[in-house]
Amino acid sequence: DAKTTQPPSMDCAEGRAANLPCNHSTISGNEYVYWYRQIHSQGPQYIIHGLKNNETNEMASLIITEDRKSSTLILPHATLRDTAVYYCIVRPEGGGADGLTFGKGTHLIIQP
Amino acid sequence: EPEVTQTPSHQVTQMGQEVILRCVPISNHLYFYWYRQILGQKVEFLVSFYNNEISEKSEIFDDQFSVERPDGSNFTLKIRSTKLEDSAMYFCASKPTGFRNTEAFFGQGTRLTVV
Repeated sequence: DAKTTQPPSMDCAEGRAANLPCNHSTISGNEYVYWYRQIHSQGPQYIIHGLKNNETNEMASLIITEDRKSSTLILPHATLRDTAVYYCIVRPEGGGADGLTFGKGTHLIIQP
Repeated sequence: EPEVTQTPSHQVTQMGQEVILRCVPISNHLYFYWYRQILGQKVEFLVSFYNNEISEKSEIFDDQFSVERPDGSNFTLKIRSTKLEDSAMYFCASKPTGFRNTEAFFGQGTRLTVV
């Protein structure tokens, strides 16, 4: 799996958009970008994933650059409950029972 | 919304004892996983399980660990002779298919404390 680089921590004001960057400069053409988050020692929670097009769901938006070497997770209106560690993970498509490889992620702190 | 459930939420055991951590995956899921997270460290993959056998395992998953799906609903992780360094959060996860581009659903974890 391609390596990802994320800032260790970020702050964001409540109600503002939180933009979490991720670099994955060695990503291959068949690799997806996934985002999970972990709220204070709870189980990781899936947020969103994408291949090359931008994606949006009820939780977040994922913007992937045209060269696919980086991406940004956007939480449009951050709340205090969005304080968590956010993980950007790159994985190839196709079948496979291999597990997720988590890095250290970005600790996002939403300030009141 | 369906969820992965884990019991107990917290287990304290003496060093050298055997422990069994239990998980009930989402009912129509076919792939099951165990992960662990030592306090302050990364979430680490231990093992995946499909069709009643281990599919993949990490180097952490040595002979003291075993997994089982005893009755078609529960998925268990057994640690045969616990060590102090086994103290961690253990997370179970399940997926409906083996395709990588499907999300994994995680349980809330069991905190194992070895004393």
